[in-house]
Amino acid sequence: QVQLQQWGAGLLKPSETLSLTCGVVAGSFGTNYWSWIRQPPGKGLEWLGEINHTGRTHYNPSLESRVTVSIDTSKNQLSLKLTSVTAADTAVYYCARLLYDRGYYSFDYWGQGTLVTVSS
Amino acid sequence: ETVMTQSPATLSVSPGERATLSCRASQSVSTNLAWYQQKPGQAPRLLIYGASIRATDIPARFSGSGSGTEFTLTISRLQSEDFAVYFCQQYSTWPPMYTFGQGTKVEIK
Repeated sequence: QVQLQQWGAGLLKPSETLSLTCGVVAGSFGTNYWSWIRQPPGKGLEWLGEINHTGRTHYNPSLESRVTVSIDTSKNQLSLKLTSVTAADTAVYYCARLLYDRGYYSFDYWGQGTLVTVSS
Repeated sequence: ETVMTQSPATLSVSPGERATLSCRASQSVSTNLAWYQQKPGQAPRLLIYGASIRATDIPARFSGSGSGTEFTLTISRLQSEDFAVYFCQQYSTWPPMYTFGQGTKVEIK
């Protein structure tokens, strides 16, 4: 059973950099992709980007200039950095594992979520 | 970008009744479609992928159907723990991109 545990700063000022980490507590990175997904309060979900064990990344084009996803396989951790945050970046941020099964992709394991609030 | 539109925004259903949720894609996504359940304060839970494949440990009362641009999640005989928000999600293989619908809230009638 894979478990994901997240941590990071929950309150930022505009223009600061959001930094979150997600640890794979049970299991390992394997060959899966691992994603960051966010959810503004009361709204839907937005995929930010993904990374695999080799460090290969893909990003949401709408955020690509501000997002960096990285991994530390020795610690079984992945990280998210989002630069120049504004109030519009206020959201619950999740890490999630991408399942590949029978030719289909979906997110089968999720972290507990971290609320990040951007306010002056 | 493929836009996912869910309807209705809110569905009021009595326990024991059937709930039918819809998800429409702005362009064909074949069967690259997943459904998630989310309860307040919790992360989403994967229910269905490949449009109709139930995820591990998901009860048989949850079923998915559809292909192309029209998809349906059916919950037969709603139980108290099924009242939640449901999201659909599609993915594009290249470049990789995952987009979600805005959600349907299933509430107690």
